[in-house]
Amino acid sequence: NAGVTQTPKFQVLKTGQSMTLQCAQDMNHEYMSWYRQDPGMGLRLIHYSVGAGITDQGEVPNGYNVSRSTTEDFPLRLLSAAPSQTSVYFCASSSGEGREKLFFGSGTQLSVL
Amino acid sequence: GQSLEQPSEVTAVEGAIVQINCTYQTSGFYGLSWYQQHDGGAPTFLSYNALDGLEETGRFSSFLSRSDSYGYLLLQELQMKDSASYFCAVRPRGTALIFGKGTTLSVSS
Repeated sequence: NAGVTQTPKFQVLKTGQSMTLQCAQDMNHEYMSWYRQDPGMGLRLIHYSVGAGITDQGEVPNGYNVSRSTTEDFPLRLLSAAPSQTSVYFCASSSGEGREKLFFGSGTQLSVL
Repeated sequence: GQSLEQPSEVTAVEGAIVQINCTYQTSGFYGLSWYQQHDGGAPTFLSYNALDGLEETGRFSSFLSRSDSYGYLLLQELQMKDSASYFCAVRPRGTALIFGKGTTLSVSS
């Protein structure tokens, strides 16, 4: 099993550009979520999904969009990148019975210039 | 709202025991989780306390007291490979897992 796969691993954007961070899981997990990690700030929840077609906002949703058209995929879209969005982004998934046990992808390091 | 407080740094020597505390303020949650993250890596799940009391998994134990809004992760027989960041997390009702800011553990020989 591949688990949770994130692409790309690294990305550099210019201010104002848009892009999509991809996340896919092959464990048939219902729950998926996106976090950003900044030094000294821990992991902050951006958006999450409890199943296909259902998404909700987390702690820091502004500037990001998500969709969940399939169980497997949960892409994160940056609409107009800003330097404040420079961060490491992690996608995670969990099963219905074990929602506290998240499986994380390897992360995407994003720099916005 | 919800917030979790944990020390930013802890240092210890190989073979020692270290306790990382986590205090929280939340309006209601399902339980307390702990995650480990090595430098440059992704967080990995360590333990989950759904109920008050102690959960033991090998060298690691985790404790929760809902009445005290407090929990801790206990690491025994420390090894160099335990040097990492440790995060406590809760899942408030109606949302996904929320993490503390993390504790960096440095183990020296």
